[in-house]
Amino acid sequence: GAGVSQSPSNKVTEKGKDVELRCDPISGHTALYWYRQSLGQGLEFLIYFQGNSAPDKSGLPSDRFSAERTGGSVSTLTIQRTQQEDSAVYLCASSLPPDRGYTFGSGTRLTVV
Amino acid sequence: AQKITQTQPGMFVQEKEAVTLDCTYDTSDPSYGLFWYKQPSSGEMIFLIYQGSYDQQNATEGRYSLNFQKARKSANLVISASQLGDSAMYFCAMRAPVGGGSNYKLTFGKGTLLTVNP
Repeated sequence: GAGVSQSPSNKVTEKGKDVELRCDPISGHTALYWYRQSLGQGLEFLIYFQGNSAPDKSGLPSDRFSAERTGGSVSTLTIQRTQQEDSAVYLCASSLPPDRGYTFGSGTRLTVV
Repeated sequence: AQKITQTQPGMFVQEKEAVTLDCTYDTSDPSYGLFWYKQPSSGEMIFLIYQGSYDQQNATEGRYSLNFQKARKSANLVISASQLGDSAMYFCAMRAPVGGGSNYKLTFGKGTLLTVNP
């Protein structure tokens, strides 16, 4: 597609439920990144994919968080047993290596009530 | 470890004046890239400017220029002739290899909120 697409744009969920966030990168971009941005804060790195593999998943906050990427394209970030502190905007970015330009999606605003 | 520091939580500037947003970085890798992004209240991340660690000249993109001082490990953003539409959060970021090879990580600073006054 023309840009990085994320869905849903907004998600309200009850504490303890599982959620799935989707990122559809720019066609041909092999690198994909997930970041989390809490209100008024910077971007916290979560995980990085190169193709379908994740060379760096050091930013995932706990084992409740997982991500996968299939076909070198769409990625899904899954949060199990959501907690209120998971409330944030989750941003996805993609790029072509050598990584120079990163294009961000519009993000998914997750609210855990 | 990679680290980006933005020491100015907020900055104010008068319309049509120039403003400098500070950014310092830390990495042990000689090959890295530095970015500035703008995030308006709408939340989108807008790429502004890029500087590679081996680039000889400071990067410029229209009203944006990057004051790259490698020895000091600083990469300050200069916005000339500020406009009301420049009011936004500005993030400095660094791309550097992780674990060797061709895998990269983009690390962000905490941002500076710029307000342009009429």
